[in-house]
Amino acid sequence: DVKVTQSSRYLVKRTGEKVFLECVQDMDHENMFWYRQDPGLGLRLIYFSYDVKMKEKGDIPEGYSVSREKKERFSLILESASTNQTSMYLCASSQGQGWGKLFFGSGTQLSVL
Amino acid sequence: GNSVTQMEGPVTLSEEAFLTINCTYTATGYPSLFWYVQYPGEGLQLLLKATKADDKGSNKGFEATYRKETTSFHLEKGSVQVSDSAVYFCALRGSTLGRLYFGRGTQLTVWP
Repeated sequence: DVKVTQSSRYLVKRTGEKVFLECVQDMDHENMFWYRQDPGLGLRLIYFSYDVKMKEKGDIPEGYSVSREKKERFSLILESASTNQTSMYLCASSQGQGWGKLFFGSGTQLSVL
Repeated sequence: GNSVTQMEGPVTLSEEAFLTINCTYTATGYPSLFWYVQYPGEGLQLLLKATKADDKGSNKGFEATYRKETTSFHLEKGSVQVSDSAVYFCALRGSTLGRLYFGRGTQLTVWP
């Protein structure tokens, strides 16, 4: 069964901390995505990557960076966490130039205090 | 640009009721359209898709028809079950390969 695994289900951090959210997929997918999900706002794309070491900004990249050193792993980094980054973060992957079927992880609920 | 508008929830229904969740879109070119579902505590999963005008996607009793003339992709089910309680997201794939644009989601609660 295909799998996208996010390292933590719940995470609590302090304002100003550097935060790493990890995502690993076992499907050899080229594309990986980071979304954040907020009530009433749906899913908003933060960053995505089409290949190792490649990255593209999504709709809300401010305050975030990403790293993709290996094909199966895509990390989201909050350089200096702020309270308005409290959210559910969802990682997803998809195959090549496919028709858009994304496989999602279960999400990381991040609280910044 | 690309965008998706869904009917606002929450939607509350009794078991065996008929369900419609409206979705309209704005896109350049010929997008593919999707419905994703998120059950409590889980990530999203693909429910159904349609890749061209007049296509009907269907899965688990849910259906949606790609209507280019009305730029719509409404989700329907004839008889909902308690197990259908979830958040439903309409999405489109535009010209940027692999990238999906999501609506805000509609919370569905079905009571026995």
